[in-house]
Amino acid sequence: NAGVTQTPKFRVLKTGQSMTLLCAQDMNHEYMYWYRQDPGMGLRLIHYSVGEGTTAKGEVPDGYNVSRLKKQNFLLGLESAAPSQTSVYFCASKARRTGEQYFGPGTRLTVT
Amino acid sequence: DQQVKQNSPSLSVQEGRISILNCDYTNSMFDYFLWYKKYPAEGPTFLISISSIKDKNEDGRFTVFLNKSAKHLSLHIVPSQPGDSAVYFCAASGYYGGSQGNLIFGKGTKLSVKP
Repeated sequence: NAGVTQTPKFRVLKTGQSMTLLCAQDMNHEYMYWYRQDPGMGLRLIHYSVGEGTTAKGEVPDGYNVSRLKKQNFLLGLESAAPSQTSVYFCASKARRTGEQYFGPGTRLTVT
Repeated sequence: DQQVKQNSPSLSVQEGRISILNCDYTNSMFDYFLWYKKYPAEGPTFLISISSIKDKNEDGRFTVFLNKSAKHLSLHIVPSQPGDSAVYFCAASGYYGGSQGNLIFGKGTKLSVKP
């Protein structure tokens, strides 16, 4: 039981490049989330999903897209990376009837 | 405007003493509160939670207190251990503005427990 896993762990992009971050969970959770964490800031919600095939915007969605084609996977895409998207990205999942979210280990992204 | 505030960026305590981490919130629609612990280069891990129908929840060395009238909660760690050194995030959720159970996080408090 791996919990929540994220791929890749580190990535360096040049401005304008695109990439996809993959989140996978093996807990059969309905809800999944993408957050970013910047120095001196808490975690800020980018997008979330309450079920397969559904997504919604969070607090800071601009510049990102997401997809949830399978219940266990939640993908975060950057179509044209910008230096402002340099951050640590965390994925989380939650069962429908509980309050706590379970987090992955994070992806450290640097955009130069 | 921050809905969840942790006004102390850092806290240093001696091993064996009590650590008290504080959190204030502004949205009265929040009805569930959580504390997460985060080590460097790892994801946050769930520590303890409390529902708004309670004023205290205890789990081993960790106790969370909720004062709804003051919109304030605190996390007590007794006794503190060096392994407790980490960043602690307070988070809140509730049914508000169409958001169902999404968490709003504070900026975190870095706890250092000195041997």
